[in-house]
Amino acid sequence: EVQLVESGGVVVQPGGSLRLSCAASGFTFDDYTIHWVRQAPGKGLEWVSLISWDGAGRYYADSVKGRFTISRDNSENSLYLQINSLRTEDTALYYCAKEIRANRYDYGMDVWGQGTTVTVSS
Amino acid sequence: QSTLTQPASVSGSPGQSITISCTGTSSDIGSYDYVSWYQQHPGKAPKVMIYGVSNRPSGLSTRFSGSKSGNTASLTISGLQAEDEADYYCSSYTSSSTVVFGGGTRLTVL
Repeated sequence: EVQLVESGGVVVQPGGSLRLSCAASGFTFDDYTIHWVRQAPGKGLEWVSLISWDGAGRYYADSVKGRFTISRDNSENSLYLQINSLRTEDTALYYCAKEIRANRYDYGMDVWGQGTTVTVSS
Repeated sequence: QSTLTQPASVSGSPGQSITISCTGTSSDIGSYDYVSWYQQHPGKAPKVMIYGVSNRPSGLSTRFSGSKSGNTASLTISGLQAEDEADYYCSSYTSSSTVVFGGGTRLTVL
């Protein structure tokens, strides 16, 4: 079964840091671009970042550029999101999601995890 | 990065067809055929319904179809069913090498 499982979400104070993880299984992880997408409580989807299958391409939304860093370890079938200088507006459910087709950019995501919750509050 | 513009809500009766619009700019929808549509039921992760403007993932119902004209993309659901009631989001690649989502549309099946 193709699966993505996020972890690492916590309650953290403004200005703090944390690292989210996404464990992949059931597919050839190093063939696929992976995205992070977040959803604030009661709000819509917001794209956060993507990393290409080989890690060479990394892109970020303006709202997180300079504070978030995406990375992957293909030997561990894992994706990461390092989040620094957290703000209250970063409070959201964070999903990792896999690109539809291998070794290309479709900017469409066919497999999503269940999400991990980040709450930024003092 | 602004969000793509979608109607907040649409509704239809079972068996009818509805269309959800998604309006962007020449920097996103108007320039690239990388429009996707997602369905999200309450408390669930999104599910891709359309990618590449009009492509359906394998196994998805043919009742769902997508199109694009200029800066506006559209999702059409034909033969509306009760289980289609959900939130729908469009997304597009942008000239900034990012992805932008629409604000979402709540579909109510009457």
